[in-house]
Amino acid sequence: EPEVTQTPSHQVTQMGQEVILRCVPISNHLYFYWYRQILGQKVEFLVSFYNNEISEKSEIFDDQFSVERPDGSNFTLKIRSTKLEDSAMYFCASRPHSSGANVLTFGAGSRLTVL
Amino acid sequence: QQQVKQSPQSLIVQKGGISIINCAYENTAFDYFPWYQQFPGKGPALLIAIRPDVSEKKEGRFTISFNKSAKQFSLHIMDSQPGDSATYFCAASMDSGNTPLVFGKGTRLSVIA
Repeated sequence: EPEVTQTPSHQVTQMGQEVILRCVPISNHLYFYWYRQILGQKVEFLVSFYNNEISEKSEIFDDQFSVERPDGSNFTLKIRSTKLEDSAMYFCASRPHSSGANVLTFGAGSRLTVL
Repeated sequence: QQQVKQSPQSLIVQKGGISIINCAYENTAFDYFPWYQQFPGKGPALLIAIRPDVSEKKEGRFTISFNKSAKQFSLHIMDSQPGDSATYFCAASMDSGNTPLVFGKGTRLSVIA
């Protein structure tokens, strides 16, 4: 069964450092998402990406965050200067182009710990 | 308006019992209501979903009940099994599911033998 692959599974970083989280979405999917889940909290939407541009973003997705699809397969989330409150599990998700089929497939997540 | 309120926060059910998780929403523009199941160390996985044109949808032991007038929907797990122990999230979105999902806070279900 096709799956969304995320790396790294866990990253520990110092406050103020840049972090890049990587995702390989399912190959025929065209919509890509980043969500995050702070420990014990709900899953929160960060950003959606379609046709090589951001289609929607939440209030959480401020200037410290950026996304790109550099090579047609990887989908990355960059946090420029990490803060303690960025510590969370970050989930990448993708879905097919089909309108109305909001069947997101999530990756296993990348746990970010900011010290 | 964008919130989805989920209860209970945690639930313990005997094997073979019925697990019931409830969600409520405010935004009447929501028209797609999925439930996601998450095991420890894994991402959320779609379990079952419903649209507001039906009041109930059943897939195996899992049933969603939807009450449009009350703006509530619930997940029922019949004959609950230890393997059902996981965190369950309700969610909602608009535009037939084309807008980002808004998740509830999750319910940690433990099914004990």
